[in-house]
Amino acid sequence: QLQLQESGPGLVKPSETLSLTCAVSGVSISSSSYYWDWIRQPPGKGLEWIGSIYYSGSTYYNTSLKSRITISADTSKNQFSLRLSSVTAADTAVYYCARQVRYCSSTSCIGLHLDYWGQGILVTVSS
Amino acid sequence: EIVLTQSPGTLSLSPGERATLSCRASQSVSRSYLSWYQQKPGQAPRLLIYATSNTATGIPDRFSGSGSGTDFTLTISRVVPEDLAVYYCQQYGSSPYTFGQGTRLEIK
Repeated sequence: QLQLQESGPGLVKPSETLSLTCAVSGVSISSSSYYWDWIRQPPGKGLEWIGSIYYSGSTYYNTSLKSRITISADTSKNQFSLRLSSVTAADTAVYYCARQVRYCSSTSCIGLHLDYWGQGILVTVSS
Repeated sequence: EIVLTQSPGTLSLSPGERATLSCRASQSVSRSYLSWYQQKPGQAPRLLIYATSNTATGIPDRFSGSGSGTDFTLTISRVVPEDLAVYYCQQYGSSPYTFGQGTRLEIK
């Protein structure tokens, strides 16, 4: 059974770095069929795509957050991680990890829909 | 960046009624790469529809999607109480992937 489980601190101080990990079970993150994504949702608000990673290390970031984001993957542990630097109260949100289907044509590969999501973790930015 | 605008903001229906949710894009969505997600209270989003009209695994057949270009629709043929949720559309035709602001479905 596929499972994605987010973990990390629930409270981060302003200006510090938020670090989260998504542990994946039931499928290898080294599969060529998927990207691995982070999405967030401020309390009571909508969803925002943060970025994604392919197991080889290729990353794709939302331009609005690009300067502060690092997404990495650890295939030996079958997990991937998010680091968001210089956080402010505006970064308070539920952070979700998700699996994104990957499709390759003869010329290129693209990410498609998000077919499995973790349960999410609330991260509050406050002193 | 493609902006997705969902309407109505809230939809209140009785069991058995038909629900029609709209998602309008600020520019054409490439290859109709649009999906719909259902988020029940306190839960993570769940994929309902992908590529405009394909139903995800395990989703009841009362859910269907349609549309093209800039106008897309999610239809629930006969709502049931468990359909209480917020529904989001998302485009993945161009980066950054973006979501609509959501439509809240209330059951009378």
